[in-house]
Amino acid sequence: DQQVKQNSPSLSVQEGRISILNCDYTNSMFDYFLWYKKYPAEGPTFLISISSIKDKNEDGRFTVFLNKSAKHLSLHIVPSQPGDSAVYFCAASDRSGGGADGLTFGKGTHLIIQP
Amino acid sequence: DVKVTQSSRYLVKRTGEKVFLECVQDMDHENMFWYRQDPGLGLRLIYFSYDVKMKEKGDIPEGYSVSREKKERFSLILESASTNQTSMYLCASSLKGYEQYFGPGTRLTVT
Repeated sequence: DQQVKQNSPSLSVQEGRISILNCDYTNSMFDYFLWYKKYPAEGPTFLISISSIKDKNEDGRFTVFLNKSAKHLSLHIVPSQPGDSAVYFCAASDRSGGGADGLTFGKGTHLIIQP
Repeated sequence: DVKVTQSSRYLVKRTGEKVFLECVQDMDHENMFWYRQDPGLGLRLIYFSYDVKMKEKGDIPEGYSVSREKKERFSLILESASTNQTSMYLCASSLKGYEQYFGPGTRLTVT
């Protein structure tokens, strides 16, 4: 049972336009959400996160929106740049239980920025 | 800057061999994790640890074990490597409740 879903395996966007990556989750216990970016043959790099008490978090060109009622989050990148071409993973965590916080990842979306 | 290092970037082993993957972090993080990444499957959690000598199973622990004797070091052990364990292995660390930082990964091929 996939608890974090990224339904678009790939997305192509023109340079300078907005990229919108989507993510849905099913586990209502998740209270912390993250986006990671991954280049081939490298480890994922943390991009931005959002707590369930917020509905928006912004960091430079990156904004994450959270809609708890719909169990949906999205990552907006504007303007898109060639270096943004990578695989983006959505991840979620339940931080309420104590101990370590393993992340549950989606399968990723391959973003391609076209010149 | 947080630094997570993994002992090898590429590794080739034979079926049945015992394999050790080492991970070291330099930020005094309590939590450490091992994931594997496979095409079309994303990242899947194998094991994690929230303290020295503590370990917890993740989603896919079968065929793996771990060791955490020191806070900064977390080892993944394949007791008897099999071809279906060919994958990219990623180590991560974090403070409790915060984002995880990943190492560069080890591409393991089992022949």
